[in-house]
Amino acid sequence: GNSVTQMEGPVTLSEEAFLTINCTYTATGYPSLFWYVQYPGEGLQLLLKATKADDKGSNKGFEATYRKETTSFHLEKGSVQVSDSAVYFCALSDESNYQLIWGAGTKLIIKP
Amino acid sequence: EAQVTQNPRYLITVTGKKLTVTCSQNMNHEYMSWYRQDPGLGLRQIYYSMNVEVTDKGDVPEGYKVSRKEKRNFPLILESPSPNQTSLYFCASSFFQGARAFFGQGTRLTVV
Repeated sequence: GNSVTQMEGPVTLSEEAFLTINCTYTATGYPSLFWYVQYPGEGLQLLLKATKADDKGSNKGFEATYRKETTSFHLEKGSVQVSDSAVYFCALSDESNYQLIWGAGTKLIIKP
Repeated sequence: EAQVTQNPRYLITVTGKKLTVTCSQNMNHEYMSWYRQDPGLGLRQIYYSMNVEVTDKGDVPEGYKVSRKEKRNFPLILESPSPNQTSLYFCASSFFQGARAFFGQGTRLTVV
């Protein structure tokens, strides 16, 4: 079946460091891919998405590229801030039934 | 303002005492769902609804009920809560299954 695997957290970085959070998936066909972010005490909100191979989603300085050949959708940011501290979820939308499949989430901690 | 509203935000209850968590959205979304979030397990879908009067089980439906009598509301019912239902619960809605999901702020439930 379809699945999403994220790197385990927490990931702890210093402010202005480069961020990568790995996400790989298993799916048939061509799913849509998403990154959601959950700030402390809040619900999840969409950060970025990509709907086809080689698409790059971007928002708030974050980027992720849909790599069909490596079945990956890694989240990157060039210079993180303390305000980026949150839990990040990778997800895919199955092409056949559109069900959202979630990764386990990666907690990101940014220290000043 | 487009939003998904859950109530209550926090709830402590005793084993066996029926409770309802309400969820309401103002975006005229057809698709609504309930998730529970547990450490290390990410988001797991409990129930979902494709439209009014159409509901179906997610990955972890045991011990829960839902109803969708009108488009905007999707309450989660625990007829006889047990301690293993202690969790953080999120309601989400979207125009259709697999589309961008909007989440409520969450309900932290403790069953003692």
